[in-house]
Amino acid sequence: DADVTQTPRNRITKTGKRIMLECSQTKGHDRMYWYRQDPGLGLRLIYYSFDVKDINKGEISDGYSVSRQAQAKFSLSLESAIPNQTALYFCATADGLIQETQYFGPGTRLLVL
Amino acid sequence: GNSVTQMEGPVTLSEEAFLTINCTYTATGYPSLFWYVQYPGEGLQLLLKATKADDKGSNKGFEATYRKETTSFHLEKGSVQVSDSAVYFCALYTGNQFYFGTGTSLTVIP
Repeated sequence: DADVTQTPRNRITKTGKRIMLECSQTKGHDRMYWYRQDPGLGLRLIYYSFDVKDINKGEISDGYSVSRQAQAKFSLSLESAIPNQTALYFCATADGLIQETQYFGPGTRLLVL
Repeated sequence: GNSVTQMEGPVTLSEEAFLTINCTYTATGYPSLFWYVQYPGEGLQLLLKATKADDKGSNKGFEATYRKETTSFHLEKGSVQVSDSAVYFCALYTGNQFYFGTGTSLTVIP
Protein backbone atom coordinates (compact mmCIF):
# COMPACT_ATOMS: atom_id res chain seq x y z
CA ASP A 1 0.00 0.00 0.00
CA ALA A 2 1.13 3.53 -0.78
CA ASP A 3 2.46 5.57 2.11
CA VAL A 4 0.75 8.79 0.99
CA THR A 5 -2.68 8.51 -0.61
CA GLN A 6 -4.91 11.14 -2.14
CA THR A 7 -8.60 10.99 -2.93
CA PRO A 8 -10.09 11.52 -5.38
CA ARG A 9 -7.48 10.99 -8.10
CA ASN A 10 -9.52 12.88 -10.65
CA ARG A 11 -12.38 15.33 -10.22
CA ILE A 12 -14.46 17.49 -12.50
CA THR A 13 -16.57 20.19 -10.88
CA LYS A 14 -18.39 23.38 -11.79
CA THR A 15 -17.62 26.97 -10.93
CA GLY A 16 -18.95 27.89 -7.50
CA LYS A 17 -19.04 24.37 -6.10
CA ARG A 18 -17.33 23.42 -2.87
CA ILE A 19 -14.84 20.62 -3.16
CA MET A 20 -12.57 18.80 -0.75
CA LEU A 21 -9.39 16.92 -1.57
CA GLU A 22 -8.16 14.47 1.01
CA CYS A 23 -4.71 13.23 1.92
CA SER A 24 -3.80 10.37 4.24
CA GLN A 25 -0.40 9.06 5.23
CA THR A 26 0.88 5.99 7.01
CA LYS A 27 4.47 7.20 7.39
CA GLY A 28 3.91 8.65 10.86
CA HIS A 29 5.21 12.03 9.74
CA ASP A 30 4.21 15.19 11.57
CA ARG A 31 4.62 17.61 8.68
CA MET A 32 2.15 17.74 5.77
CA TYR A 33 1.93 20.02 2.74
CA TRP A 34 -0.41 20.86 -0.12
CA TYR A 35 0.99 22.00 -3.48
CA ARG A 36 -0.49 22.72 -6.85
CA GLN A 37 1.32 22.05 -10.10
CA ASP A 38 0.68 24.08 -13.23
CA PRO A 39 2.49 23.74 -16.56
CA GLY A 40 5.46 26.08 -16.70
CA LEU A 41 5.09 27.10 -13.05
CA GLY A 42 6.32 24.04 -11.24
CA LEU A 43 5.01 23.33 -7.75
CA ARG A 44 3.67 26.10 -5.57
CA LEU A 45 2.93 25.72 -1.87
CA ILE A 46 -0.67 26.32 -0.80
CA TYR A 47 -0.67 25.41 2.91
CA TYR A 48 1.45 23.42 5.30
CA SER A 49 1.08 21.99 8.78
CA PHE A 50 3.76 20.94 11.25
CA ASP A 51 1.35 19.35 13.71
CA VAL A 52 -2.35 18.79 14.29
CA LYS A 53 -2.92 22.28 15.71
CA ASP A 54 -0.54 24.07 13.38
CA ILE A 55 -1.67 25.54 10.04
CA ASN A 56 0.44 27.88 7.91
CA LYS A 57 -0.26 29.71 4.67
CA GLY A 58 1.99 29.09 1.73
CA GLU A 59 2.68 31.12 -1.38
CA ILE A 60 -0.82 30.85 -2.89
CA SER A 61 -3.36 30.23 -0.12
CA ASP A 62 -6.11 32.60 -1.38
CA GLY A 63 -9.24 30.65 -2.33
CA TYR A 64 -8.19 27.58 -0.34
CA SER A 65 -8.57 26.34 3.22
CA VAL A 66 -7.21 23.28 5.00
CA SER A 67 -8.00 21.05 7.95
CA ARG A 68 -5.59 18.81 9.84
CA GLN A 69 -8.05 16.37 11.37
CA ALA A 70 -5.40 14.03 12.73
CA GLN A 71 -1.69 13.56 12.36
CA ALA A 72 -2.31 11.28 9.40
CA LYS A 73 -4.93 13.38 7.56
CA PHE A 74 -4.72 16.75 5.88
CA SER A 75 -7.62 18.01 3.72
CA LEU A 76 -7.67 20.84 1.22
CA SER A 77 -10.93 22.65 0.47
CA LEU A 78 -11.96 24.96 -2.32
CA GLU A 79 -14.95 26.81 -0.87
CA SER A 80 -16.13 28.15 -4.22
CA ALA A 81 -14.18 26.67 -7.09
CA ILE A 82 -13.13 28.82 -10.03
CA PRO A 83 -11.65 27.75 -13.40
CA ASN A 84 -8.14 29.03 -12.63
CA GLN A 85 -7.97 26.49 -9.81
CA THR A 86 -7.81 23.78 -12.47
CA ALA A 87 -4.50 22.08 -11.73
CA LEU A 88 -2.77 18.99 -10.43
CA TYR A 89 -2.72 18.96 -6.62
CA PHE A 90 -0.13 17.12 -4.56
CA CYS A 91 0.01 16.30 -0.90
CA ALA A 92 3.40 15.67 0.69
CA THR A 93 4.70 14.64 4.09
CA ALA A 94 7.98 15.03 5.92
CA ASP A 95 9.48 13.89 9.19
CA GLY A 96 10.03 16.85 11.50
CA LEU A 97 13.30 15.36 12.69
CA ILE A 98 14.56 14.62 9.17
CA GLN A 99 12.86 17.56 7.60
CA GLU A 100 14.58 17.67 4.33
CA THR A 101 12.96 14.84 2.41
CA GLN A 102 9.37 15.11 1.32
CA TYR A 103 7.24 12.16 0.26
CA PHE A 104 4.57 12.89 -2.30
CA GLY A 105 1.19 11.40 -2.98
CA PRO A 106 0.15 10.47 -6.52
CA GLY A 107 -1.75 13.69 -7.11
CA THR A 108 -5.34 14.77 -7.73
CA ARG A 109 -6.20 16.17 -11.14
CA LEU A 110 -8.92 18.81 -10.74
CA LEU A 111 -10.87 20.41 -13.58
CA VAL A 112 -13.16 23.33 -12.79
CA LEU A 113 -15.61 24.12 -15.59
CA GLY B 1 13.81 35.89 -1.10
CA ASN B 2 14.22 32.23 -1.94
CA SER B 3 13.87 30.92 -5.46
CA VAL B 4 15.10 28.28 -7.88
CA THR B 5 15.72 28.77 -11.58
CA GLN B 6 16.20 25.76 -13.76
CA MET B 7 16.82 25.11 -17.40
CA GLU B 8 13.76 25.24 -19.57
CA GLY B 9 12.81 22.20 -21.53
CA PRO B 10 11.79 20.10 -23.08
CA VAL B 11 15.05 18.24 -23.55
CA THR B 12 15.26 15.36 -26.00
CA LEU B 13 18.31 13.10 -26.05
CA SER B 14 19.31 9.85 -27.67
CA GLU B 15 19.99 6.88 -25.45
CA GLU B 16 23.52 6.88 -23.98
CA ALA B 17 23.92 10.64 -24.45
CA PHE B 18 25.28 12.90 -21.69
CA LEU B 19 22.72 14.88 -19.71
CA THR B 20 23.06 18.23 -17.98
CA ILE B 21 20.12 20.11 -16.50
CA ASN B 22 21.12 23.47 -15.07
CA CYS B 23 19.82 24.77 -11.76
CA THR B 24 20.70 27.96 -9.92
CA TYR B 25 19.24 29.27 -6.69
CA THR B 26 18.77 32.35 -4.56
CA ALA B 27 18.48 31.82 -0.84
CA THR B 28 19.05 33.39 2.51
CA GLY B 29 21.18 31.35 4.85
CA TYR B 30 22.43 27.89 3.94
CA PRO B 31 19.76 25.84 2.22
CA SER B 32 19.78 22.17 1.38
CA LEU B 33 19.43 21.38 -2.31
CA PHE B 34 17.51 18.62 -4.03
CA TRP B 35 16.61 17.05 -7.31
CA TYR B 36 13.20 15.39 -7.53
CA VAL B 37 11.95 13.30 -10.44
CA GLN B 38 8.35 12.89 -11.61
CA TYR B 39 7.52 9.94 -13.83
CA PRO B 40 4.34 10.12 -15.93
CA GLY B 41 1.20 9.90 -13.82
CA GLU B 42 3.07 9.83 -10.53
CA GLY B 43 4.03 12.15 -7.70
CA LEU B 44 7.53 13.50 -7.18
CA GLN B 45 10.26 11.24 -5.84
CA LEU B 46 13.53 12.32 -4.29
CA LEU B 47 16.39 11.64 -6.69
CA LEU B 48 19.34 13.09 -4.75
CA LYS B 49 20.24 15.79 -2.28
CA ALA B 50 23.14 17.77 -0.85
CA THR B 51 23.00 19.56 2.47
CA LYS B 52 26.10 21.76 2.43
CA ALA B 53 28.54 23.42 0.09
CA ASP B 54 30.77 21.12 -1.98
CA ASP B 55 28.65 18.07 -1.14
CA LYS B 56 27.89 15.81 -4.07
CA GLY B 57 24.57 13.99 -4.20
CA SER B 58 24.30 10.89 -6.35
CA ASN B 59 21.76 8.20 -7.17
CA LYS B 60 20.98 5.91 -10.13
CA GLY B 61 23.91 7.34 -12.09
CA PHE B 62 22.79 10.95 -11.58
CA GLU B 63 25.04 13.43 -9.79
CA ALA B 64 24.86 17.04 -8.65
CA THR B 65 27.36 19.13 -6.69
CA TYR B 66 26.37 21.96 -4.33
CA ARG B 67 28.36 24.98 -5.57
CA LYS B 68 28.00 27.89 -3.19
CA GLU B 69 30.28 30.19 -5.17
CA THR B 70 28.10 29.92 -8.27
CA THR B 71 24.83 29.19 -6.37
CA SER B 72 24.29 26.19 -8.60
CA PHE B 73 23.26 22.54 -8.36
CA HIS B 74 23.40 21.17 -11.90
CA LEU B 75 22.15 17.65 -12.55
CA GLU B 76 24.31 15.35 -14.70
CA LYS B 77 24.25 11.81 -15.97
CA GLY B 78 26.88 10.27 -18.20
CA SER B 79 24.65 7.95 -20.20
CA VAL B 80 20.88 8.33 -20.18
CA GLN B 81 18.42 5.53 -20.73
CA VAL B 82 14.88 5.51 -22.10
CA SER B 83 13.67 4.82 -18.55
CA ASP B 84 15.07 8.22 -17.45
CA SER B 85 12.34 10.00 -19.39
CA ALA B 86 10.57 12.12 -16.79
CA VAL B 87 10.25 15.66 -15.45
CA TYR B 88 13.09 16.79 -13.17
CA PHE B 89 12.65 19.43 -10.47
CA CYS B 90 15.39 21.28 -8.65
CA ALA B 91 14.43 22.43 -5.15
CA LEU B 92 15.83 24.09 -2.07
CA TYR B 93 14.83 23.75 1.57
CA THR B 94 15.31 26.54 4.09
CA GLY B 95 14.10 24.90 7.29
CA ASN B 96 10.40 25.64 6.88
CA GLN B 97 9.55 25.36 3.22
CA PHE B 98 10.63 23.84 -0.02
CA TYR B 99 10.97 26.02 -3.11
CA PHE B 100 10.74 24.22 -6.43
CA GLY B 101 11.90 25.12 -9.90
CA THR B 102 9.52 24.95 -12.83
CA GLY B 103 10.65 21.49 -13.92
CA THR B 104 12.53 20.24 -16.98
CA SER B 105 10.96 17.56 -19.14
CA LEU B 106 13.41 14.97 -20.46
CA THR B 107 12.62 12.52 -23.23
CA VAL B 108 15.18 9.86 -24.14
CA ILE B 109 14.72 8.19 -27.50
CA PRO B 110 16.15 4.77 -28.37
